[in-house]
Amino acid sequence: EIVLTQSPATLSLSPGERATLSCRASQSVSSSLAWYQQKPGQAPRLLIYDASNRATGIPARFSGSGSGTDFTLTISSLEPEDFAVYYCQHRFYWPLTFGGGTKVEIK
Amino acid sequence: QVQLVESGGGVVQPGGSLRLSCAASGFTFSSYGIHWVRQAPGRGLEWVAFIRYDGSNNYYAGSVKGRFTISRDNSKNTLYLQMNSLRPEDTAVYYCAKDDRIAVAGSLDCWGQGTLVTVSS
Repeated sequence: EIVLTQSPATLSLSPGERATLSCRASQSVSSSLAWYQQKPGQAPRLLIYDASNRATGIPARFSGSGSGTDFTLTISSLEPEDFAVYYCQHRFYWPLTFGGGTKVEIK
Repeated sequence: QVQLVESGGGVVQPGGSLRLSCAASGFTFSSYGIHWVRQAPGRGLEWVAFIRYDGSNNYYAGSVKGRFTISRDNSKNTLYLQMNSLRPEDTAVYYCAKDDRIAVAGSLDCWGQGTLVTVSS
């Protein structure tokens, strides 16, 4: 199965700062990668699909890039509501897998 | 709006069985694949299973294959997860999530709020 490694595990930033989250796949997944946001006590929410497409209703400050094995989620200017855990997930073949998550916390 | 509501969670002894349900509304249920994803307390997300829009193909994580069965009733807009031979490591919140594709795996674009399954003696 494909292993997704997210880094860093925790990112400590202030509101207004830029956040850069990484997801590395153990083998190429082409552009078949999604990003999700999860806040405490809530279900995950789809942010980005197919590496770089924003899901419906997702603000433009969220962007995704990459292909093959290296992917990045960028939040251009952190809003208070963006402090959460972020997961990547591939859909290249079965089984689907998620990365271990990156927690974006307030510095 | 699209809504998924899980039910059926609870406390079960190791080796026991439980059936989860996921009631869907707000979209054409019979046109989309659906997943189960779980999250152990304080841990990350783990994909569990997927069923095609018509129920013709299912896929499972290795950790549950042979013990869990995903199924759906399109006439009732409901998804199921039959869980047998439960282990303590199956303890988690179980989410159902709608795929944005029909037959192949896409992205999970809508999630329920989850139901907690606790496996403990």
